[in-house]
Parts: sequence; C-alpha cells; structure tokens
Amino acid sequence: QVQLQESGPGLVKPSETLSLTCSVSGGSVTSDYWIWIRQPPGKGLEWIGYMYNNGRTKYNPSLKSRVTISADTSKNQFSLNLNSVTAADTAVYYCARAVDSHPFDVWGQGTMVTVSS
Amino acid sequence: EIVLTQSPGTLSLSPGERATLSCRASQSVNRNFLAWYQQKPGQAPRLLIYGASSRATGIPDRFSGSGSGTDFTLTINRLEPEDFAVYCCQQYGSSPITFGQGTRLEIK
Repeated sequence: QVQLQESGPGLVKPSETLSLTCSVSGGSVTSDYWIWIRQPPGKGLEWIGYMYNNGRTKYNPSLKSRVTISADTSKNQFSLNLNSVTAADTAVYYCARAVDSHPFDVWGQGTMVTVSS
Repeated sequence: EIVLTQSPGTLSLSPGERATLSCRASQSVNRNFLAWYQQKPGQAPRLLIYGASSRATGIPDRFSGSGSGTDFTLTINRLEPEDFAVYCCQQYGSSPITFGQGTRLEIK
C-alpha cells in the first residue's frame, strides 16, 4: 500500500524558494505519476504539476515559470521547488500519486506553508 | 483551461436523505475523465469516483456518479453522519488538470 509524507519548512520569506519533499513508501518514484497540489486557506485545490515516466514533468501554466518537480530515486522521494514566493503562495501543499491515466488515488496528509517575513 | 463550476455551494440535508451535487464543465471533459473527492476539515481529499461513474476502491455503493460531456452529478443515497463534508470535482483529461470550487454538504 502506497503511503506519502510531505516534509519541509512551514515558513518561507517572500521572494525566497519554497522547497518540499514527499517521501514514498510502498511504491517507486520511477513509475506512476507523482503530483503536487496546493490549497490556500479556505479555498479550492490547485494542481501544481507532476513528474512521470522516471523524470518527465508537466506543470500548471500558471506556475510553470517558478516550479520544478524532481526525484531522488536513491531515497524514493520527489520534491517541489517554487521560487520567488509571495503571500499568495501560502497554502497547504499536498503530494499525491496517480496510476497511468487515473486520478489522484493516494494523498499525503498535507503540510501548511506560510509565506511571511 | 477547463473551468469546473459546482452547485450548489452549500447543501443542507438530514441523515437518511439523498444528496445530489452538480459539476458543470466549461467545455467537454476528455474521455469523461471526471473525478469526485470528499474532503473533511484538516484532512486530505479522498477519491470517491473516477471516470465519471466508477467507484474507487473501498467506497460504499451509496455513492454514485453519472454524466458525460460537460454535465456531471454525484449522488449520495441515505446520507450517513460521516458523509457531511466538502465534495469537489476534478477533470484530469486535459492539461491543466482543474478542480471545482467545492460543495459543502452540511447537516440540516
């Protein structure tokens, strides 16, 4: 059974880079789709992007210029880097998994990231 | 980008009643790749329905999905106390993947 766990700083300063890691157990980051989603307080879900096919990526055009998703296969983890953050990037960040052309069937518990000086 | 509009914003019902939630897409959803999620406070979303009408593993049969093209419905029969939550739809057939804003199902 696949399980995911996000980790990273809960507070990031404006203009800096938000960096999160998702640790995967029960599955491998070299297969399937590995996804980042976020949810601002009191708002809906926003897809950030995903990594698939052992390293290929696809990003939401609204964030594409600031986002990088990558994997560390030796640790079976994948990561999110979001640069030049502002208060609008304050949100709960989730990692998730999808198999092939299916939706997101496994989610991490989420981690709250606040952008503030 | 496909915009998903959910209605109503809030639905107030009693346990034992039937809930009908709507999700309308701004353009046709490719291959009816439409999913429904349930989200409770402080928790991650839980996949209920995929492919518009297929139940995810472990989801009770009181949850059902229907629709195609641009109009989709989630029906919850015989509401249980644990069903009161926020429900959102998602289209995953076109990039960018998008979500609806959610329908809050509350106890009347």
